[in-house]
Amino acid sequence: EPEVTQTPSHQVTQMGQEVILRCVPISNHLYFYWYRQILGQKVEFLVSFYNNEISEKSEIFDDQFSVERPDGSNFTLKIRSTKLEDSAMYFCASSESSGGYYNEQFFGPGTRLTVL
Amino acid sequence: AQSVSQHNHHVILSEAASLELGCNYSYGGTVNLFWYVQYPGQHLQLLLKYFSGDPLVKGIKGFEAEFIKSKFSFNLRKPSVQWSDTAEYFCAVNAAGGGADGLTFGKGTHLIIQP
Repeated sequence: EPEVTQTPSHQVTQMGQEVILRCVPISNHLYFYWYRQILGQKVEFLVSFYNNEISEKSEIFDDQFSVERPDGSNFTLKIRSTKLEDSAMYFCASSESSGGYYNEQFFGPGTRLTVL
Repeated sequence: AQSVSQHNHHVILSEAASLELGCNYSYGGTVNLFWYVQYPGQHLQLLLKYFSGDPLVKGIKGFEAEFIKSKFSFNLRKPSVQWSDTAEYFCAVNAAGGGADGLTFGKGTHLIIQP
């Protein structure tokens, strides 16, 4: 069964450093998403991406965040200058487009980001 | 903007007990509704979903949920839980219609099943 994959599974970085989290969505999917889950809190939507541009973003997704689909398979989330409060589990998700109401999102296993 | 409220943050049940987890949402338009489960150390998996039609939806592992539009609710149920149902359960919603609408999640319910 096809699945969303994410690398690395755990990333440790120093405050102020740049990190890139990588995701490989399901191959025939067209919509891509990033979410985060701070320890003990709910899963929060960050951004969605379609047709090589951001489709929707939350207020969490400020200028220090960016997303990119550098090739036909990868979808990346970059955090330019990490802060302690960026420590969280980051989930990638993807969905296919049927042009209608059906829009099930499939989640990857997550990358645990620890900012020291 | 949507919001989701899950009433029970921690639930402890014995095996074979019946389960009902509450979920209410707030949104002015038509919504898609989801329940996701996160087993310890694993990623989010879809349990069931509601888009339209029969308000009683059945998912995997014997779970079901009922959409009550007048109450803005989508409660999750299972008649007889098993130890393996121990997990975190998240209710989520997004706006109906095609497109890349992000999911709004509730805070989750941590379910512990005692053998």
